[in-house]
Amino acid sequence: EPEVTQTPSHQVTQMGQEVILRCVPISNHLYFYWYRQILGQKVEFLVSFYNNEISEKSEIFDDQFSVERPDGSNFTLKIRSTKLEDSAMYFCASRVSLGVPEAFFGQGTRLTVV
Amino acid sequence: KQEVTQIPAALSVPEGENLVLNCSFTDSAIYNLQWFRQDPGKGLTSLLLIQSSQREQTSGRLNASLDKSSGRSTLYIAASQPGDSATYLCAVPQGGSEKLVFGKGMKLTVNP
Repeated sequence: EPEVTQTPSHQVTQMGQEVILRCVPISNHLYFYWYRQILGQKVEFLVSFYNNEISEKSEIFDDQFSVERPDGSNFTLKIRSTKLEDSAMYFCASRVSLGVPEAFFGQGTRLTVV
Repeated sequence: KQEVTQIPAALSVPEGENLVLNCSFTDSAIYNLQWFRQDPGKGLTSLLLIQSSQREQTSGRLNASLDKSSGRSTLYIAASQPGDSATYLCAVPQGGSEKLVFGKGMKLTVNP
């Protein structure tokens, strides 16, 4: 069964360092998303991406965040200068289209900023 | 702004019980609602998506219902098993947006 895959599963980084979280969405999906879940809190939306551009972003998604689809398969989230409060589980998700609303999520990358 | 609530936050039951998990949302103008399962430290597994035009959706021992007018959905788990132990989350689209708004989840423990 097709699935969204994320790498790495766990990343530890020092405060101020840049990190890139990687995702391979399901191959025929066109809409891509990043969400995050701080420990003990709700899953919250970061950004949506379609047709090689951001279609929507939350107030969390400030200038230190960026997303990219560098080739036909990968979808990345970059955090330029990590802060302690960026420690969270980051989930990538994808959908076939807006007309098919079911979203499929990856297993997540646990980011720990020390 | 859409808010999603799941009460109770946790539930512990003996194996074999039929369970009802609740989800409520503040903005009833939704197109669909999705239920997910999350195992500890793991990702979100989609269980069921129920469209606003549907009243129920079934998958195996799971049945989800949706009542838009009252802003509620329930996930019914029949004959619960220890393997059903996980956190169950519901999510709805924010009005006019692609983004999903999640509840905090309900942690279910099914004891053998």
